[in-house]
Amino acid sequence: NAGVTQTPKFRVLKTGQSMTLLCAQDMNHEYMYWYRQDPGMGLRLIHYSVGEGTTAKGEVPDGYNVSRLKKQNFLLGLESAAPSQTSVYFCASSTRTSGRSLSYEQYFGPGTRLTVT
Amino acid sequence: ILNVEQSPQSLHVQEGDSTNFTCSFPSSNFYALHWYRWETAKSPEALFVMTLNGDEKKKGRISATLNTKEGYSYLYIKGSQPEDSATYLCASTNTGGFKTIFGAGTRLFVKA
Repeated sequence: NAGVTQTPKFRVLKTGQSMTLLCAQDMNHEYMYWYRQDPGMGLRLIHYSVGEGTTAKGEVPDGYNVSRLKKQNFLLGLESAAPSQTSVYFCASSTRTSGRSLSYEQYFGPGTRLTVT
Repeated sequence: ILNVEQSPQSLHVQEGDSTNFTCSFPSSNFYALHWYRWETAKSPEALFVMTLNGDEKKKGRISATLNTKEGYSYLYIKGSQPEDSATYLCASTNTGGFKTIFGAGTRLFVKA
């Protein structure tokens, strides 16, 4: 199993450009998450999904959109990139058992380093 | 929204020293407490998940305790080794939704 993969690994955007980050997991996990990691702030949840076709906002959703058309994929979109979105983005997934999914660990991807100039 | 705090922010110890970190979290609506180990240039990896007050978990030289009534968890490392150098993240999940809030982490440096 590859676990959780993210593409691309690095990207530089100019202000106003758009892009999509792809997260894929092969563990058949129901829940998927997008976080951003900034110095001194830990991981902050952007959006999450509890199943195919469903998404929800996290702590810092503004400026981002997501889609979960397939269970194994979770896409994070930036429609008009801003320098404040320069960050490292991590995707994670977890599984659900008896509706108590959050007692189980999250599996993280390797991260995508995004710079917006 | 939960507020998870970790202390200290960073810690420098000598090889062989034992050390511990603190994670505090709101005790209301608590569901689960997670500890992750995050090495530089890698992804966070789960160490422990605890849900019950009084839970204690152990993995090798690393152990953790949980007090849900007062809202804190301790992570202990016995006989620190250079390979223990990493950031240790604490995360709390409440019963109000499917969100896990992470602390900023404790950065551990173990000098040989």
